[in-house]
Amino acid sequence: EVQLVQSGAEVKKPGESLKISCKGSGYSFTSYWIGWVRQMPGKGLEWMGIIYPGDSDTRYSPSFQGQVTISADKSISTAYLQWSSLKASDTAMYYCARLKSSGAAADYWGQGTLVTVSS
Amino acid sequence: QSALTQPRSVSGSPGQSVTISCTGTSSDVGGYNYVSWYQQHPGKAPKLMIYDVSKRPSGVPDRFSGSKSGNTASLTISGLQAEDEADYYCCSYAGSYTFFYVFGTGTKVTVL
Repeated sequence: EVQLVQSGAEVKKPGESLKISCKGSGYSFTSYWIGWVRQMPGKGLEWMGIIYPGDSDTRYSPSFQGQVTISADKSISTAYLQWSSLKASDTAMYYCARLKSSGAAADYWGQGTLVTVSS
Repeated sequence: QSALTQPRSVSGSPGQSVTISCTGTSSDVGGYNYVSWYQQHPGKAPKLMIYDVSKRPSGVPDRFSGSKSGNTASLTISGLQAEDEADYYCCSYAGSYTFFYVFGTGTKVTVL
């Protein structure tokens, strides 16, 4: 059974750093793109970026380029999303999702990680 | 890269059909047969309902169908049921020169 399990909710202060994770199981982790999606409170879905764990090829949406870093450790089948200096506007639910082999749809999703940034 | 345009809300009575539109451009929806649709219930992760414009993943009821004409894709829910009340998002491939994918603005489906 394909599963993506994300790390737990986080409460941080502005300016702090953070790294959240997404562990894949039940499939060949290195053979599928993984994407990160942001959903701000009461708002829609936004693609942040994608990574191919097989070779760490990473692409960022222009809105998130330079704002976050996406990485993966294929030895432990885990993808990461990290911030070096959080802002209050980073408060959101963050989902990871596996992209189908054709690369055009996200067929499995993590449960989401709620990040709250508040002073 | 702008979000695809969806109606804010649609509604229907149980058993009726509703259709959600998703309008983009020739650079995304109109340019590729790679439109997908996601259902999201409150507090839950999105769920893939349609991919490649009109294909249904295993386990998705055949009440859900997708189509595309020009720069507009559509999701139709036939025989509306109470559990179909949710937010729905379209998504299109947009080529590798920009970022690959773009979501729609989202549509709230209400079952009256």
